Amino acid sequence: AQTVTQSQPEMSVQEAETVTLSCTYDTSESDYYLFWYKQPPSRQMILVIRQEAYKQQNATENRFSVNFQKAAKSFSLKISDSQLGDAAMYFCAYSPNQGGKLIFGQGTELSVKP
Amino acid sequence: GAGVSQSPSNKVTEKGKDVELRCDPISGHTALYWYRQSLGQGLEFLIYFQGNSAPDKSGLPSDRFSAERTGGSVSTLTIQRTQQEDSAVYLCASSFRTSGSSVQETQYFGPGTRLLVL
Repeated sequence: AQTVTQSQPEMSVQEAETVTLSCTYDTSESDYYLFWYKQPPSRQMILVIRQEAYKQQNATENRFSVNFQKAAKSFSLKISDSQLGDAAMYFCAYSPNQGGKLIFGQGTELSVKP
Repeated sequence: GAGVSQSPSNKVTEKGKDVELRCDPISGHTALYWYRQSLGQGLEFLIYFQGNSAPDKSGLPSDRFSAERTGGSVSTLTIQRTQQEDSAVYLCASSFRTSGSSVQETQYFGPGTRLLVL
């Protein structure tokens, strides 16, 4: 069975600094998708970034980028120039190629200090 | 355009009562998902509808849980004879997914329904 592990329950970063959130996963498949979602206190899950496993290039969305290491089954999220609005729970998620459903990690609570 | 909407936002019920949770997906989205978020279990997949195909019910925790999707749009998640362990936030998501396609389109989530069973 596929699993997703986020080993950092909580992280803290100073405003304008850079922080990296860790995620590892376990799968025997070669094609799949990986996602980072953000969940602020409003409960609304918001997509931050996605990565297709067949793509070697790491995905980037403005201040957010990933370090995708397929062989190591690692998918970390780097947030540059952290802003107060980045404070939220961050979830790493895996989706098999055909399965549709998302398998989530336990989440990392990120706080941003002014 | 409008996002995924869910109602009610919050629901308090007594143990043993039935509850219905509603999800309105983004217009045109063919796939609809239900997830449950609880303190003890994290985020869990419940059920997945794709077009006219039979739903994937593999995540439903017991036969007290059921869901339907009428007209390929609105979905209702029903929990019968609620138990205290059913207390959680129930999240709905939708995506545009072509039948037979291997592309995993991004899932867009609603704000959730917080269910409290007393």
